[in-house]
Amino acid sequence: KNQVEQSPQSLIILEGKNCTLQCNYTVSPFSNLRWYKQDTGRGPVSLTIMTFSENTKSNGRYTATLDADTKQSSLHITASQLSDSASYICVVSARYSGGYQKVTFGTGTKLQVIP
Amino acid sequence: GAVVSQHPSRVICKSGTSVKIECRSLDFQATTMFWYRQFPKKSLMLMATSNEGSKATYEQGVEKDKFLINHASLTLSTLTVTSAHPEDSSFYICSAREGLAGSSYEQYFGPGTRLTVT
Repeated sequence: KNQVEQSPQSLIILEGKNCTLQCNYTVSPFSNLRWYKQDTGRGPVSLTIMTFSENTKSNGRYTATLDADTKQSSLHITASQLSDSASYICVVSARYSGGYQKVTFGTGTKLQVIP
Repeated sequence: GAVVSQHPSRVICKSGTSVKIECRSLDFQATTMFWYRQFPKKSLMLMATSNEGSKATYEQGVEKDKFLINHASLTLSTLTVTSAHPEDSSFYICSAREGLAGSSYEQYFGPGTRLTVT
């Protein structure tokens, strides 16, 4: 069964500090992994997308890493800002024969940045 | 990035009534649209996938007669919750993609619709 687990479930950090969110998956056959940011009461917004051959991808202060061998990904946020307070969702796609893709969502990490 | 809009953003309806939620892709043609629901502190759960001009494919456990999905054009999909009950209260999010289901095109999410059934 395809699963995506994220840790920690929630996190509180001081403004300006760095943090790292984790994502472990058992999705197979792996196609790509995305990190999304979801503000409360809003739809998810894509931060990064990585395929099998990519092991790091940056988007401003967000840096995602991927280890396809251990099936782990992390999202590192540098110099956090109050506006980073949101849920961060790891989404992994499986691609089957015939090209069909199925997406599995993680349960998310709720990040709160405090002054 | 591409923009997906949803309307309304919030809706309150009485038990037994039906409510329609619209999802529009504003600057691209969405061959495929997805409908999700999200309960508080939970992840998104895929309800159905629809390709423009064809019937939606529903996930296991989702009642197709209760959640009517229409994807009549490349920029508009609608979700109608029929005979709504309080347990249907949830956050409904649509997503749109240019390619057919299974393609690797980016999925863009709408802002969501908060449905409250009283």
